Amino acid sequence: RKEVEQDPGPFNVPEGATVAFNCTYSNSASQSFFWYRQDCRKEPKLLMSVYSSGNEDGRFTAQLNRASQYISLLIRDSKLSDSATYLCVVTGITPNAGGTSYGKLTFGQGTILTVHP
Amino acid sequence: DTGVSQDPRHKITKRGQNVTFRCDPISEHNRLYWYRQTLGQGPEFLTYFQNEAQLEKSRLLSDRFSAERPKGSFSTLEIQRTEQGDSAMYLCASSWTSSGEQFFGPGTRLTVL
Repeated sequence: RKEVEQDPGPFNVPEGATVAFNCTYSNSASQSFFWYRQDCRKEPKLLMSVYSSGNEDGRFTAQLNRASQYISLLIRDSKLSDSATYLCVVTGITPNAGGTSYGKLTFGQGTILTVHP
Repeated sequence: DTGVSQDPRHKITKRGQNVTFRCDPISEHNRLYWYRQTLGQGPEFLTYFQNEAQLEKSRLLSDRFSAERPKGSFSTLEIQRTEQGDSAMYLCASSWTSSGEQFFGPGTRLTVL
């Protein structure tokens, strides 16, 4: 079983639609959670962090359910520019001389979103 | 441009040859990570450094792979005796120790013929 699993899609939605992506992770010790966005043939970029209390950034809402080990991303009022691959990411905490810090990122396979006119 | 840079951006090589990639992190970042990404998959962790110390290596990193960060600044990733299965995008990222966000470079796309 993969550590982070996502529905690869693709999701094809019209402009203005609301779309939701889901992700599950297997390591209950995972500490931090993120959504990254990756445009075609580009590097991944952080979209937003995910917290248990839920967090919102404009049209984007992320949610974490630690009990179910489930992460979600909701995009409202989709724009053409939202077309990309959305990567669910988890990370643990590793010790270092200065205390603790975030370690390696574990990525899901990515979900492809295409928004059409 | 003060972001993460990688060189070369593309590399085509024949099976059995050795290749070396370079990553220059954001200057004040002391953590540097290497990932590998194949088509249709998310990036997979290979190894990371804190300053010049290599703190963790993935099982994916066979003995043909070696990474260095000799002065705690730039890093190199060398693949010896390349195989066709090594064809992938090799991504470098850097971060502050105390920050969760990793900033990625544009990647080096390796094609092994």
